[in-house]
Amino acid sequence: NAGVMQNPRHLVRRRGQEARLRCSPMKGHSHVYWYRQLPEEGLKFMVYLQKENIIDESGMPKERFSAEFPKEGPSILRIQQVVRGDSAAYFCASSLGTVRSNEQFFGPGTRLTVL
Amino acid sequence: GENVEQHPSTLSVQEGDSAVIKCTYSDSASNYFPWYKQELGKGPQLIIDIRSNVGEKKDQRIAVTLNKTAKHFSLHITETQPEDSAVYFCAARTGANNLFFGTGTRLTVIP
Repeated sequence: NAGVMQNPRHLVRRRGQEARLRCSPMKGHSHVYWYRQLPEEGLKFMVYLQKENIIDESGMPKERFSAEFPKEGPSILRIQQVVRGDSAAYFCASSLGTVRSNEQFFGPGTRLTVL
Repeated sequence: GENVEQHPSTLSVQEGDSAVIKCTYSDSASNYFPWYKQELGKGPQLIIDIRSNVGEKKDQRIAVTLNKTAKHFSLHITETQPEDSAVYFCAARTGANNLFFGTGTRLTVIP
């Protein structure tokens, strides 16, 4: 039973390029969450999605960042025109989303480095 | 929104001793409190959680306590082992949505 999968594990981009981070939730999970972790800090919520819907994007910067979770395929976090401050570890978590079972399970993360 | 504070930021204990990490939260509506262990280069792993209708929960060497009145919860690890060394995060959730994390505690167990 595979856990949450994220790829790539490491991503290097130059300033101004685009970064695409992918997340495949655990089997049977239809809820996906994206978090960002700066070095030596806790995780900060970015966005919460269900299939084809953004439920809560209150933690996501208004510009350059977008997320989707299509009917088929992984969830994608997209960062356009990256800047050095975007360098961080990005973690995806998934859950069943039911009231009785809403634990979030995390993937291994994508470490983005912007040169 | 919710604000979670975590102490201490670093903790060193001798192997076999106990470790205690404490967190406070601000939103009295928060009803779910998980603890995660994060090893270097890996994602956070859920190790134990507690819901607001329970005061204490134990799983082998790990226990969590919750004081709703004071809005604080704690992680207790007994008989620590070197493999317990990691960064531990507490979190709080209101409703069914996103988690608010503490800033982490780096635990070092000295053999």
